[in-house]
Amino acid sequence: ETGVTQTPRHLVMGMTNKKSLKCEQHLGHNAMYWYKQSAKKPLELMFVYSLEERVENNSVPSRFSPECPNSSHLFLHLHTLQPEDSALYLCASSQDPGREQFFGPGTRLTVL
Amino acid sequence: GENVEQHPSTLSVQEGDSAVIKCTYSDSASNYFPWYKQELGKGPQLIIDIRSNVGEKKDQRIAVTLNKTAKHFSLHITETQPEDSAVYFCAASGPGGSYIPTFGRGTSLIVHP
Repeated sequence: ETGVTQTPRHLVMGMTNKKSLKCEQHLGHNAMYWYKQSAKKPLELMFVYSLEERVENNSVPSRFSPECPNSSHLFLHLHTLQPEDSALYLCASSQDPGREQFFGPGTRLTVL
Repeated sequence: GENVEQHPSTLSVQEGDSAVIKCTYSDSASNYFPWYKQELGKGPQLIIDIRSNVGEKKDQRIAVTLNKTAKHFSLHITETQPEDSAVYFCAASGPGGSYIPTFGRGTSLIVHP
């Protein structure tokens, strides 16, 4: 493991459910990221937080809502998702933007 | 914004052969170029990186070269082993994109024993 943990590792949810993904980093980093990884697609950056402030939001649908209560924790709140949102959701952290990123193992999300 | 192209999408080699993966980028201001390896069921992990002030960097069987003029960089793996089988991603970042990395689409490397 890289010092970045994600829970749960697997999640199956219906389109009307509300769930949250959690990410925690134990590296003392200042920046945290959410990525979506779908089969045969490049890594899609969703959100970036630096020093707990959102600095990047790549036009992600509002059914995805991030929360960064402190520099060690990052959440992704999910509601009324669509089947096409099924993917591997990866969390990463770095000392600062532009430095090496450390990735968690990901949460495999399936939306039924 | 930055655009990173990565080729090939799939690379199949015999154990012991060399493997080369190439990436091009569009933003001449980009100055940091990491390479990540993603094994099945895991998140990507950095294997080597290079900054724009050097042209080549080596770490045992892995090397990265950078041509700033042509805006391309490559990953070289020598004496490949079955455990090198994974998906490899290149990325580029710099002040033009607030230092947020832009990733290539990935290369699936298969090393046959």
